[in-house]
Amino acid sequence: KAGVTQTPRYLIKTRGQQVTLSCSPISGHRSVSWYQQTPGQGLQFLFEYFSETQRNKGNFPGRFSGRQFSNSRSEMNVSTLELGDSALYLCASSLGPTGGQETQYFGPGTRLLVL
Amino acid sequence: QKEVEQDPGPLSVPEGAIVSLNCTYSNSAFQYFMWYRQYSRKGPELLMYTYSSGNKEDGRFTAQVDKSSKYISLFIRDSQPSDSATYLCANAQGGKLIFGQGTELSVKP
Repeated sequence: KAGVTQTPRYLIKTRGQQVTLSCSPISGHRSVSWYQQTPGQGLQFLFEYFSETQRNKGNFPGRFSGRQFSNSRSEMNVSTLELGDSALYLCASSLGPTGGQETQYFGPGTRLLVL
Repeated sequence: QKEVEQDPGPLSVPEGAIVSLNCTYSNSAFQYFMWYRQYSRKGPELLMYTYSSGNKEDGRFTAQVDKSSKYISLFIRDSQPSDSATYLCANAQGGKLIFGQGTELSVKP
């Protein structure tokens, strides 16, 4: 079974631009979560989607948004990019809504560099 | 205070050593505990998952949870150079994972 896929793998943007990242979960998985990983802050939760609905949101500004499609694929968008948005963005999928008991499987990530 | 604290290391051990990786957490509501392994330039890979106090073993890996002291550990027996990676502990809370900073482990041949 194919794992979680993320596109693109690498991105370079400039301040003020916006970016859209894509995630395809494991086949049959309906929940998708997004995380940001930086050397200083580590892995931080952005948001979780299940059945096209955002179920949880982390402590990030409104510039970070996401959505999920009927086929469970998800996208996240970051508008008005800042230098501090440079990070590895990770997508994780699970079978159902993650009340804690659902294990999450991560994709390889999209590495974003903001200049 | 971070909800999950983990010594970032780096930790360097010789091949064959027993490795002990540790985390503490502050929120007693945490019930589900995971260990992830992350190789350089890869996404985290789920190693172990447990929800109760005590030990859980999987091959060379043992996860230990002590809810009374809010302490979780991962032991790696007979460590191999291929175990060189960053190890992240995580607690699940209401649909999101709270991660420690990760411990960078290097196993020298």
